Amino acid sequence: SYVLTQPPSVSVAPGETAMMTCAGSNLGTKTVHWYQQKPGQAPLLVMSYDFDRPSGIPERFSGANSGTTATLTITRVEAGDEADYFCQVWDTDSEIFGGGTKLTVL
Amino acid sequence: QVQLQESGPGLVKPSETLSLTCTVSGGSIRNGNYYWTWIRQPAGKGLEWIGRIYNSGSTNYNPSLKSRVIISIDTSKSQFSLNLASVTAADTAVYFCARAHVLGVIDYWGQGALVIVSS
Repeated sequence: SYVLTQPPSVSVAPGETAMMTCAGSNLGTKTVHWYQQKPGQAPLLVMSYDFDRPSGIPERFSGANSGTTATLTITRVEAGDEADYFCQVWDTDSEIFGGGTKLTVL
Repeated sequence: QVQLQESGPGLVKPSETLSLTCTVSGGSIRNGNYYWTWIRQPAGKGLEWIGRIYNSGSTNYNPSLKSRVIISIDTSKSQFSLNLASVTAADTAVYFCARAHVLGVIDYWGQGALVIVSS
């Protein structure tokens, strides 16, 4: 079955840029979605179809997908961005999630 | 604004069947642009897709759970349901119901329901 690999953790200082990656075989040929999950809450869609920001998501969030890696980038990171981030694709009749990256704002 | 709400027992005994229902409001469960989906998350772990159902009743299941899962839909009640048979402690998790567009993106989630498998 298809596998998405995310680094377990990323740490950045407030105001800096956070880049979270999601790797998979020929991932650039698939459509990637990203979700933010804060403790005790349901996931929230923050990036769809590789680089489309849903309504209400700040412009500081951007996405890209090429080759074997998709990236969610958050510029000017704020304390409120601290959360787990999951990537997701649809593959062969199954939704596939990455293991998630915990973003820590130092 | 679409809302989804999970309901069902929070405690299930080992070997029994876990049953949850999701009630959809603010949007039609008959909308042909969406699938209705179950996802779970063990404490401190990642998201695991369980399966999905279309308004016609057509289903897709996670191959690792397929032998134990049945998802059904009742469009007259705007509800869809999850049955997971022969549960063990490994099935203890927060269970989310969600709406997924036919192109794959999951745009609305329920708040989640904690189900503990224990005798």
